[in-house]
Amino acid sequence: AQKITQTQPGMFVQEKEAVTLDCTYDTSDPSYGLFWYKQPSSGEMIFLIYQGSYDQQNATEGRYSLNFQKARKSANLVISASQLGDSAMYFCAMRGDSNYQLIWGAGTKLIIKP
Amino acid sequence: EAGVVQSPRYKIIEKKQPVAFWCNPISGHNTLYWYRQNLGQGPELLIRYENEEAVDDSQLPKDRFSAERLKGVDSTLKIQPAELGDSAVYLCASSLDPGARTEAFFGQGTRLTVV
Repeated sequence: AQKITQTQPGMFVQEKEAVTLDCTYDTSDPSYGLFWYKQPSSGEMIFLIYQGSYDQQNATEGRYSLNFQKARKSANLVISASQLGDSAMYFCAMRGDSNYQLIWGAGTKLIIKP
Repeated sequence: EAGVVQSPRYKIIEKKQPVAFWCNPISGHNTLYWYRQNLGQGPELLIRYENEEAVDDSQLPKDRFSAERLKGVDSTLKIQPAELGDSAVYLCASSLDPGARTEAFFGQGTRLTVV
């Protein structure tokens, strides 16, 4: 069975600091994709970054980077130089080749303090 | 390019009443998803379409929920009759294909309150 675990229900971070949001996963699929989404209070689910299981390098998108450690089955999201607008729920998700369903974690609520 | 469009944004209905949600995916996206998101949780898949075919509806409560995607573009999700436990945000998403490495793009969702 596939599973995503996000162990941090909430985090407070000072503005301009870097923040790491944890995500571990479990799958028996040899090929899979890992995704991070941001959900602000408005409700829309915004795609942030993607990491493929066979990608040799960690994915980066602007201030977002993904610390992918395949042996540990972790895919932590790193946000550099946090901004007030980064305050939102953050979800880690996974999709494997054997099942096209996107499996979601419970999310982490990130609050950036001025 | 327009994103995924959903309507209405909010809906309040009395229990036992019917309700319908509408979704227009990103142009060219063959795969369409309906998710339900309860407060404080991640989304749960209700149904996935490939063009006009429902290829995964195993988690759709078929006694009261129905969905359609005529012509493989727009989609509607219906609940009849609604129950108190159906209160949630209903999210529609689309992607080019269902592949493991393909990101899905979401609409703003419809927040349903059943009273």
